[in-house]
Amino acid sequence: DADVTQTPRNRITKTGKRIMLECSQTKGHDRMYWYRQDPGLGLRLIYYSFDVKDINKGEISDGYSVSRQAQAKFSLSLESAIPNQTALYFCATSGLIGQGDTGELFFGEGSRLTVL
Amino acid sequence: GQNIDQPTEMTATEGAIVQINCTYQTSGFNGLFWYQQHAGEAPTFLSYNVLDGLEEKGRFSSFLSRSKGYSYLLLKELQMKDSASYLCAVRRYSSASKIIFGSGTRLSIRP
Repeated sequence: DADVTQTPRNRITKTGKRIMLECSQTKGHDRMYWYRQDPGLGLRLIYYSFDVKDINKGEISDGYSVSRQAQAKFSLSLESAIPNQTALYFCATSGLIGQGDTGELFFGEGSRLTVL
Repeated sequence: GQNIDQPTEMTATEGAIVQINCTYQTSGFNGLFWYQQHAGEAPTFLSYNVLDGLEEKGRFSSFLSRSKGYSYLLLKELQMKDSASYLCAVRRYSSASKIIFGSGTRLSIRP
């Protein structure tokens, strides 16, 4: 089983609809992240959270919101989806730096979202 | 802010060596990562550098010069399965440190 699980893996929706992408992890990491990937633009950070009470905006948070329901769960919401939010979305986790841990990111398999 | 630059595309021959460069500008540098990503899949961790010098892991090596804001990923004995995108990412040290990615380099291996 995957350590970082994203649902849904694929979703097609219409402009104006509310969409939630969910992420759960079994790695026991405190840090969780949401990135989106567009062709030619690499991975861009949307939001990140270092614990249940900590939420931080990334590079491109406009139009998105997040909820950290528990240490293991971090969801991304699009309140009113628009076509330019069509992208591949990745959830990731990382451990604390130090004690042999580089703090590298572990990614989920991605959620492909299409907004028509 | 952070600026991370790497070539968009590269081509190399099976069995050869290729070097993918990454330059960055950031305050509070706290580590550089290289990830491999096959089309349609999640990125997977390749290497990490936080001090100057070369880190070697089998066919892959990564180099860092903090004073120059420069890193490279060296892939030896190229195999067809090495055709993928290679992502350079920088972590910035701050009270809310985060990892920011470059746009990635798409590497094609020809027979």
